[in-house]
Amino acid sequence: AQKVTQAQTEISVVEKEDVTLDCVYETRDTTYYLFWYKQPPSGELVFLIRRNSFDEQNEISGRYSWNFQKSTSSFNFTITASQVVDSAVYFCALSEVLTGGGNKLTFGTGTQLKVEL
Amino acid sequence: GAGVSQTPSNKVTEKGKYVELRCDPISGHTALYWYRQSLGQGPEFLIYFQGTGAADDSGLPNDRFFAVRPEGSVSTLKIQRTERGDSAVYLCASSLWEGQPQHFGDGTRLSIL
Repeated sequence: AQKVTQAQTEISVVEKEDVTLDCVYETRDTTYYLFWYKQPPSGELVFLIRRNSFDEQNEISGRYSWNFQKSTSSFNFTITASQVVDSAVYFCALSEVLTGGGNKLTFGTGTQLKVEL
Repeated sequence: GAGVSQTPSNKVTEKGKYVELRCDPISGHTALYWYRQSLGQGPEFLIYFQGTGAADDSGLPNDRFFAVRPEGSVSTLKIQRTERGDSAVYLCASSLWEGQPQHFGDGTRLSIL
């Protein structure tokens, strides 16, 4: 069965600090996708990134970067120079291809990030 | 452009009542998903539609839950004989086709008294 573990329940940092959110996953599939979503207090899940299991290159987008390591089944997310607007719950998710097609997402329990002035 | 729209945003009802939750996906998106998110947890998959048909309903918790998408666009999640344990945020997501990232609505917060 698919499983995603986000061991950090809550992280508090001061603005401008760098912060890394951990994600470890379990799957028997050889092909899969990994995702990160942001859920601000408003509640909407905002898509941040999708990574294919065959592509282990790290990715950077502005202050965000992602480190995918298949050998340790990890897909960690780093925010550089954090800002108050980054405060949210962040979810890591793993896709599973459904029998009828489509991609079921299995989410971790989320990490609450609080960025303070 | 418009994102995924869910109505109502909040629904409070008594135990035993019937409820309907509506999802209007992004225009042109053929894949539609329902998830349920309990407090402090990540969303959990309920059902997937490709077009008009429910291609996978393996996440529905029991036969009190049912969903339809009659014209391949708007979907309605229906819950009969609601129980207090059904209280959660119900999220709808759509994607352009089945392999693309899912985009979520704001959800419907359902409270069963």
